[in-house]
Formats: sequence, structure tokens, C-alpha cells
Amino acid sequence: SAVISQKPSRDICQRGTSLTIQCQVDSQVTMMFWYRQQPGQSLTLIATANQGSEATYESGFVIDKFPISRPNLTFSTLTVSNMSPEDSSIYLCSVDRWETGAFFGQGTRLTVV
Amino acid sequence: EDKVVQSPLSLVVHEGDTVTLNCSYEVTNFRSLLWYKQEKKAPTFLFMLTSSGIEKKSGRLSSILDKKELFSILNITATQTGDSAIYLCAVEPGGADGLTFGKGTHLIIQP
Repeated sequence: SAVISQKPSRDICQRGTSLTIQCQVDSQVTMMFWYRQQPGQSLTLIATANQGSEATYESGFVIDKFPISRPNLTFSTLTVSNMSPEDSSIYLCSVDRWETGAFFGQGTRLTVV
Repeated sequence: EDKVVQSPLSLVVHEGDTVTLNCSYEVTNFRSLLWYKQEKKAPTFLFMLTSSGIEKKSGRLSSILDKKELFSILNITATQTGDSAIYLCAVEPGGADGLTFGKGTHLIIQP
């Protein structure tokens, strides 16, 4: 199984500010995925991050709001920009393992006030 | 668009009971179906199912996939209070796409 270190674990932010979430994987992976889980809802895929190319965003998510970096095969960041209370969610990064399915970071619980 | 429907959305049972959680799906290009347990923030992996009719088992938990009927079940026998969690079902398409999750089943085990 992959070990994924995600931080921060939680944060409380003022509206209008930005927060960058980091994920470090203990091995090289081709793709990393970012998910959002709004309160009481299931996980929704935000984007897929490949090293060396721009992230691919799902419908309803745009790069200006959720810029993603993928500087190497073990690391990625997701920024939640110009935050509003509606952005209060759990954000999760994930990597895929063919034999054992996707593994997740510990998650970031974001509260925007 | 890929779709995953879980039922029931919530379930309250007593310790020792057996529960069956359901997951139906529609996916354009199926690669696998996964079950996760979510207690706090991060889902923890339970099972990955790729072939129809093969039961995956781990202790008191087991799961089976029916690819013809596009359906999976997760069984938990002799439930314990520590089984209380949200159980998520997800489908993984072929290619480079991420997972599509169902809304989850919120399971509460009462002592």
C-alpha cells in the first residue's frame, strides 16, 4: 500500500483568502487525484494531476479556483483560491494502485468563515 | 456519465446483527468496483472487485460483484460498535480517470 502524507490536517480560513494543500507520496506515481467531500456528501473528483502537464479538471471545477501543481512524481498541491463558506469541505488526495485500488491521504478539513 | 447508487443511505442495527449494504452502478468502461470505510476524513480501503461472482473476504466482511446486473453487496457479520462508519462504494473506469463514488451508507451499530 502507498503511504500518502497530506497536510494541513485541518484549517480555518477567512473568506477571500487561499489555502494550499500538499500531498507527498512515498513512491513515484503517474497520476494523483484530488477529491472534495462537502458536508454530508460523498467524494467528488476535482481533477487529475499528471507530472509535467496541466491537470485535467472535472465538470464544475476550474483551474482558476483550484490550481494544481505536480512538480514531480511524488508530490502535488491543490490550492483553494478566493475561498467562500461554500468551499468548506474535506479535501483528499489519492493515488491509484492497479492491484489494490486507490489510496487516500489523511484529508484536510477546511472551514471557511 | 458514470453513476453509483448505494442503499440504504443509513442503517441502525444492534451489535451482533448481520448487515448487507448495496451498490448499483453504471459505468462506461468498467475496470473495478471498490469498497471503502470512512470513519473520520480519509476512506480506508476494504475491497477491490474486478471479476463477477468472486467473493472477497476479510474477517467478518465480505463482498461480491455481479457484473451482469451491475451490482455489488458488502456483508458484515457479527457487527461490532467499531463497524460504525460510512461505507462508500466507488467504480473505477478504465483509462486515466478517477473514481466515481456513491453517497455512502451511514451504518450505526448500537451496543
